[in-house]
Amino acid sequence: GAGVSQSPSNKVTEKGKDVELRCDPISGHTALYWYRQSLGQGLEFLIYFQGNSAPDKSGLPSDRFSAERTGESVSTLTIQRTQQEDSAVYLCASSSRTSGTRETQYFGPGTRLLVL
Amino acid sequence: SQQGEEDPQALSIQEGENATMNCSYKTSINNLQWYRQNSGRGLVHLILIRSNEREKHSGRLRVTLDTSKKSSSLLITASRAADTASYFCATVNNAGNMLTFGGGTRLMVKP
Repeated sequence: GAGVSQSPSNKVTEKGKDVELRCDPISGHTALYWYRQSLGQGLEFLIYFQGNSAPDKSGLPSDRFSAERTGESVSTLTIQRTQQEDSAVYLCASSSRTSGTRETQYFGPGTRLLVL
Repeated sequence: SQQGEEDPQALSIQEGENATMNCSYKTSINNLQWYRQNSGRGLVHLILIRSNEREKHSGRLRVTLDTSKKSSSLLITASRAADTASYFCATVNNAGNMLTFGGGTRLMVKP
């Protein structure tokens, strides 16, 4: 079946502008995660959605970052007043709560954001 | 947040050799997973080992977990040029969140 998809695949923006990144999880996956990966670095956890529970926002680096998810479908990550240090690849992952696959996360291809 | 270290940061070997990568973590875990990443894009899940398991195999992959030392290793046997990638380990806590360690290991397998 279809995997996790993200759009856009690449985004170039000017410092100070807002950007919105989109993630379409695998159908039926209740959990959705956003990560950020700076050049040559590991993944930095940003936010986690699980069903209708309150999201875990503990990884968001500043109040310029926010994310929403409608039910168990699409999620958007919004970065307001972008800064150059926001340049990174933003990865989305989803996982199922079905026994045996609960914790396995399936990643999308990422959105490469460049803030000039 | 990052909790530990992966070593080595970079590893270069000849095709056919074995590659061993290690990672360490700090908090208690439910399970630990290894992922592979090509060219800075999406990650591909390789193998999951639970906290009550000590060793797991999948094809040419062997993962060990030592919860007393809070460390894990990934062994790729009979490496191939196509194994060239970055390898990351990540843990899952009981809440189901995932955290990653360090910058991963960049493996290069020379043909």
